[in-house]
Amino acid sequence: GAGVSQSPSNKVTEKGKDVELRCDPISGHTALYWYRQSLGQGLEFLIYFQGNSAPDKSGLPSDRFSAERTGGSVSTLTIQRTQQEDSAVYLCASSQTVDNTEAFFGQGTRLTVV
Amino acid sequence: AQSVTQPDIHITVSEGASLELRCNYSYGATPYLFWYVQSPGQGLQLLLKYFSGDTLVQGIKGFEAEFKRSQSSFNLRKPSVHWSDAAEYFCAVGARAAGNKLTFGGGTRVLVKP
Repeated sequence: GAGVSQSPSNKVTEKGKDVELRCDPISGHTALYWYRQSLGQGLEFLIYFQGNSAPDKSGLPSDRFSAERTGGSVSTLTIQRTQQEDSAVYLCASSQTVDNTEAFFGQGTRLTVV
Repeated sequence: AQSVTQPDIHITVSEGASLELRCNYSYGATPYLFWYVQSPGQGLQLLLKYFSGDTLVQGIKGFEAEFKRSQSSFNLRKPSVHWSDAAEYFCAVGARAAGNKLTFGGGTRVLVKP
């Protein structure tokens, strides 16, 4: 596609429910990154993929968070048993490779846990 | 570990005046440095980047930044600000050895007075 696409753009969920956030990277980009932007913590790295594998998951805040990427394209970030502190904007970015340092960001998914 | 500091949380500038946003980084090797801009409700847009070579880099929208290794700084400048430059600006450092994941500063919000 023309740019990085994320869906949904907004999600309101009840505490304790599971949510899935989707990212469609730019076609042909092998590297994909997830970041979280929240008032208290700023912009934080969560995880990145090279192809379908995730060499660095160090930013995932807890074992309630997981992500996968299939076919070297679409990625899904899953948050289980959501908590209010999970409320944030989740941003996805992609780049041609991990060696190509220009990352293009999507518009983000605003998650609100009530 | 890499880190980025943006000392100014808010800056107010008059339209037509010059703007300088400060960024200091900490990283053991030669970093890749970036400035991103985020308008309200939008994703992150890359303004400019520094990998190596000329320490003064030109970006989009009339912005430039200068890398000063001795000061561990990468300050962003614009000679004459337009009302449309009101946004939040993020400095980031990336490291090839870390999959080029980005570490962001806390951001500087720029307000433009008529």
